[in-house]
Amino acid sequence: GENVEQHPSTLSVQEGDSAVIKCTYSDSASNYFPWYKQELGKRPQLIIDIRSNVGEKKDQRIAVTLNKTAKHFSLHITETQPEDSAVYFCAARSGGGADGLTFGKGTHLIIQP
Amino acid sequence: DVKVTQSSRYLVKRTGEKVFLECVQDMDHENMFWYRQDPGLGLRLIYFSYDVKMKEKGDIPEGYSVSREKKERFSLILESASTNQTSMYLCASKGLGYEQYFGPGTRLTVT
Repeated sequence: GENVEQHPSTLSVQEGDSAVIKCTYSDSASNYFPWYKQELGKRPQLIIDIRSNVGEKKDQRIAVTLNKTAKHFSLHITETQPEDSAVYFCAARSGGGADGLTFGKGTHLIIQP
Repeated sequence: DVKVTQSSRYLVKRTGEKVFLECVQDMDHENMFWYRQDPGLGLRLIYFSYDVKMKEKGDIPEGYSVSREKKERFSLILESASTNQTSMYLCASKGLGYEQYFGPGTRLTVT
């Protein structure tokens, strides 16, 4: 099955700086890669996603890049703000009939004032 | 706006009890999922269903079963709860697109 590795497990950045979280996946047939943000005590919420036919996608301060050859994808957050503090999860959807997602173990992003 | 609800936010059960966790979605979604979330392990897929009465095992189905008698409702069953099933349980649903919508979670403690 699919295996998703996520790094780092904790990331502390100064407010206003950029943050980058990286994930690798194992199944070359995987075709969908979402990123979820989970604030303390709340449900995971989708913040951005990318499909395998696209190399990069941007939404305001958030961007995701995908390298299919190397089987890795990254989340980039620019001009970080206190409300960006949360746990971020990457995930991959394997090709084929199954629709379940395989998640990374999460990155706790801390924005230092 | 998609709404996914779960029957309980917190639940405390004893070892050996049969436990039912309920999930309801109001968007007529075909697909529903159960995940468990543990610190340092992320979210792991237990079971999913792509239609009424249909179910598929996820990555960690041992000790769990599911039921989907109606399209909007997906139940997770712990036949005989054990302490290693203490966890946060998250339900999700998905329509024709790729995005999964999560419920608020049920924090289950088995003593």
